[in-house]
Amino acid sequence: EDQVTQSPEALRLQEGESSSLNCSYTVSGLRGLFWYRQDPGKGPEFLFTLYSAGEEKEKERLKATLTKKESFLHITAPKPEDSATYLCAVQLRGTSYGKLTFGQGTILTVHP
Amino acid sequence: GAVVSQHPSRVICKSGTSVKIECRSLDFQATTMFWYRQFPKQSLMLMATSNEGSKATYEQGVEKDKFLINHASLTLSTLTVTSAHPEDSSFYICSARSLQETQYFGPGTRLLVL
Repeated sequence: EDQVTQSPEALRLQEGESSSLNCSYTVSGLRGLFWYRQDPGKGPEFLFTLYSAGEEKEKERLKATLTKKESFLHITAPKPEDSATYLCAVQLRGTSYGKLTFGQGTILTVHP
Repeated sequence: GAVVSQHPSRVICKSGTSVKIECRSLDFQATTMFWYRQFPKQSLMLMATSNEGSKATYEQGVEKDKFLINHASLTLSTLTVTSAHPEDSSFYICSARSLQETQYFGPGTRLLVL
């Protein structure tokens, strides 16, 4: 069975304290892995797409990496405004119309 | 770019009435749109896949006669919750898939059925 697991469920950081979020997947065939940020009461905001092992993408304080089994979202020197729920999702090969399977998310809280 | 809107953002209705939610891709065309439901502190649950000009594909356990989906154009999909009941109260989110295969999400619609 295809599974996407995110860890930790919740992460509390001090401002400036770098860390990583994990998204591990067990799927029959990966077409793409997506990272989204979701603020309370809002829809998810697209961050990154990764397609192949070894690929990396960066945006401001965020860097996403991908291996054959998992993806990491590295947060460097986070600020309070980075507090949000971070969701990863996988698109499987052969999936009709690009359907995504989501993990449960990691709730990140950054304290000033 | 890649903006998706939803209307209304919040709706309160009486039990037994129907509610329509609109999802629009504002600056790109989307042959495929998706409808999700999200319960508090949970992840997104896919309800259905909507393709322009054809019938929607519903996920297992989602009642197609209760959640009517119409995708009449490349920029508009609608979800109608028919004969709504309190258990239908939830946060409904749509997404639109770009040509680059990325799903961009709307801001969501909070539905409360009294």
